[in-house]
Amino acid sequence: EVQLVESGGGLVQPGGSLRLSCAASGFTFSTYEVNWVRQAPGKGLEWVSYISSSGSTIYYADSVKGRFTISRDNANKLLFLQMNSLRAEDTAVYYCARAVGRRFDNWGQGTLVTVSS
Amino acid sequence: ETILTQSPGTLSLSPGERATLSCRASQSVTSNYLAWYQQRPGQAPRLLIYGASSRATGIPDRFSGSGSGTDFTLTISRLDPEDFAVYYCQQYGSSPLYTFGQGTKLEIK
Repeated sequence: EVQLVESGGGLVQPGGSLRLSCAASGFTFSTYEVNWVRQAPGKGLEWVSYISSSGSTIYYADSVKGRFTISRDNANKLLFLQMNSLRAEDTAVYYCARAVGRRFDNWGQGTLVTVSS
Repeated sequence: ETILTQSPGTLSLSPGERATLSCRASQSVTSNYLAWYQQRPGQAPRLLIYGASSRATGIPDRFSGSGSGTDFTLTISRLDPEDFAVYYCQQYGSSPLYTFGQGTKLEIK
């Protein structure tokens, strides 16, 4: 069974940093593209970042470019999102999502990030 | 940037009725790269339809997708109580890489 389990969310002050993790199991992690998608409270879905299977190709949404860094550890089946210079508008549930054929076929349960003083 | 506009914002129907949800793109979308998701309260999104019209694994055949170019439709032929949720369309493009519609809430009338 494919599983994606996010962790690392919490309360952080504006300007602070947080590192999210996503542990994958049930599939060959190193052969799949993965993404981070977020959802602000009561709002819709927003794509945040993409990383290719090897980690050699990375993309970001303009809203997080220069502040967030996506990375992966294929040996340990882990996906990361390093979030710096956090703002109130970054408050959201962050999901990791596996991509197949340019669609997100499996999602984690999400981890909540709250940016507030 | 391709903007996806979903309509209606909220759809009120009764179990057993037919639901038709629309997703309109600001520019032509490659059909292979148009997907639909269902999100129930407190849950992660679930892939329903990909390639505009192909059902994902395990999705009941009452769900169907159609359309091409800039106009896409998700149809639920006979609503089951578990179908009342929020539905999002999503496309793969260039910049940003992926975009979602704002969602349609399907509520019980």
